[in-house]
Amino acid sequence: QAVVTQEPSLTVSPGGTVTLTCGSSTGTVTTGHYVYWFQQKPGQAPRTLIYDSINKYSWTPARFSASLLGGKAALTLSGAQPEDEAEYYCFVSYSGVRVFGGGTKLTVL
Amino acid sequence: EVQVVESGGGLVKPGGSLRLSCAASGFTFSNAWMNWVRQAPGKGLEWVGRIKSKPEGGTTDFAAPVRDRFTISRDDSKNTLYLQMDSLKTEDTAVYYCFTKEVTVWGQGTLVTVSS
Repeated sequence: QAVVTQEPSLTVSPGGTVTLTCGSSTGTVTTGHYVYWFQQKPGQAPRTLIYDSINKYSWTPARFSASLLGGKAALTLSGAQPEDEAEYYCFVSYSGVRVFGGGTKLTVL
Repeated sequence: EVQVVESGGGLVKPGGSLRLSCAASGFTFSNAWMNWVRQAPGKGLEWVGRIKSKPEGGTTDFAAPVRDRFTISRDDSKNTLYLQMDSLKTEDTAVYYCFTKEVTVWGQGTLVTVSS
C-alpha cells in the first residue's frame, strides 16, 4: 500500500509563511490524486480546507493556498495567525484506495 | 445547513459486531461519494472505506486492515450511510467519522470501543 509522507512538525512565527508538503511513495503527486487537506484542532473534529488538490471552500481563509510543487502536494499558509495552530492532514486518492498522511503539527510561535 | 451526524458507537467485545450510521442533510446525498474515516485515541486519521454514488456504480473500497470485516452501504431514500463492522478487534477502537467532499465541517464522530 502507498505511504503518504508529511513533515511531523513545523513552526511558524505569527504573520509568517510556511509550506506543508505531502509526498507519495508511488512517485509524483498529480491532480489525478485529488488531494485533500484537513485541519484538526485539539479535541475537535477535522475540517476540510482544500479539495481536488488546489480548490478552496467558501470558508477556507484566504491565507491558505494549495498547489502541486516539486512532485508533492503543498499547503501554504501566508500570514499565520495564532488560530492556525493545529494538526494538518493530507489525503491522497489512489485507484480504489485512499491514504492519509501522518499529519503535520503546526505551531504558531 | 450542510451536515453529517454519526451515531451507533459503543462498547463491544472482541469478535463482536456493530453498525454505525451517518445521517446527512443539506446536500444531494444520492450524488455524493461517502467515506468512513477513523481516529484511534491520540493517533492520526485513517481512511476506512468509501462507497460511490449509485449513479456511478455504488461500489465500495476498503483499507487493508478492515477489508473482509467491514461493509459500507447507503440508503439514499433516508440520506443515510452505514458501516457494518464485524469480527471487531481491539485495534478498531477509534472515533469513526463520515466524510464527503460536500461537507467541510465534519460531524463529531461516534466512538467505538472494542474491549473485553
